[in-house]
Parts: sequence; structure tokens; C-alpha cells
Amino acid sequence: GAVVSQHPSWVICKSGTSVKIECRSLDFQATTMFWYRQFPKQSLMLMATSNEGSKATYEQGVEKDKFLINHASLTLSTLTVTSAHPEDSSFYICSARNTGGGAFNEQFFGPGTRLTVL
Amino acid sequence: QKEVEQNSGPLSVPEGAIASLNCTYSDRGSQSFFWYRQYSGKSPELIMSIYSNGDKEDGRFTAQLNKASQYVSLLIRDSQPSDSATYLCAVNRITGGGNKLTFGTGTQLKVEL
Repeated sequence: GAVVSQHPSWVICKSGTSVKIECRSLDFQATTMFWYRQFPKQSLMLMATSNEGSKATYEQGVEKDKFLINHASLTLSTLTVTSAHPEDSSFYICSARNTGGGAFNEQFFGPGTRLTVL
Repeated sequence: QKEVEQNSGPLSVPEGAIASLNCTYSDRGSQSFFWYRQYSGKSPELIMSIYSNGDKEDGRFTAQLNKASQYVSLLIRDSQPSDSATYLCAVNRITGGGNKLTFGTGTQLKVEL
């Protein structure tokens, strides 16, 4: 149980294009999903909290108009990197919290999407 | 002071030994604590969670929590080369924006043959 998928697993795009990344909880419902970014040899940095049926909550310093998040159902959240530039190249990882989970509030991570912007 | 602090390592231990990974956190209001394992180029994998003071054992892994000292640790018994990875300590806090995980920078563990 607690499987989270991401698609695509990697993407290479030209500067100025937009890229959409999907995050799905496969065997549980997730009211809340999270989007993280990880640069090489650094830890995970939370970008935003995605809430089903409402607007995402962005961390300080993260541009909400550049990183568009949609959480249309209890099993799907999408992150769109708009007008991507080389500095957006990173490892993007989503996680999901089981709505019916216990007191620990565990987050289960997807396999990540490696974005390279040329 | 960082919210979650870990020694970056690398921590090298021989195969079969006990690996001890440590983590301190700054927010006394933190409620639950997690250890994730991350292999190079992969996403984190949850290996242990702990909520109450004391020890929690799961197979070769033991998590230890001391809220008074704001300290959480992970012991790996009978370390195997496959345990070589970066171990991330994560702390769950309730903020105005809801429950959030804050990660340490991770400790790189190397288990040597």
C-alpha cells in the first residue's frame, strides 16, 4: 500500500516552454499532496502544499505564477513549471499523505521527475 | 539555528556493525518524526516513524526519540552494503499552513565490506 506515482520520470525541454508533472496516489486517497524540489547534494525543499479542491499554499520565495499547482481529485495533483529556464532544472518530487492515515501524518513519496531545461 | 540538523557525514561503518545516525530539531512543538532513506538519484523512502519518547524497533532499525533533548536517532543493526545511502531526518510541525515536514540535509552512510 501507499504507492505514489509520478509522470514523467524525466523530461528535457527548451528554455521558455512549460512542463507538466503529474502525481498520483495509486491505492489511497490524498486530500493533501506536497511538491518538493531537490538540487544536487542538497536536501528536499518544500515548494508548496496542494489541497484537493482549494488553492495550493506556497512556501516563501516560491513563485505561484511560475509553479502552477492543480489538485483536481483525491488521487491527482499536477505541477506545471511555466516558461522554464535552466535554473529550474532540478529533481521534483511529490508526496502524498493518506487521508485515512493515522496519527503519524506520514508522507509517501513519488519516484521523482528529473527536469532538465536547455 | 537550522530547524533540523544532521551531520552530513559520510559515516563509514564495516559490514555487520551498528550504524548510529543522529538528528536534532529546534521546534519543541514538533509532534512526529521520520527517517527516510534516499539512494542516489532516487526519491526518499520512509523507513521509520516515531511519535513517543523512547525506542521503536522494526527489524534491523531502531528509532529513538528524546523530546526533552530535542533529539532523534536511528540505529541500524547488522549493517549491510545495501544500507549505503543518505538518511534524511524529517520533523512534522503544525504551522499556519497545516502539517509540514521539515527535512535535515541528510547523513551519508557507507557500509564497507
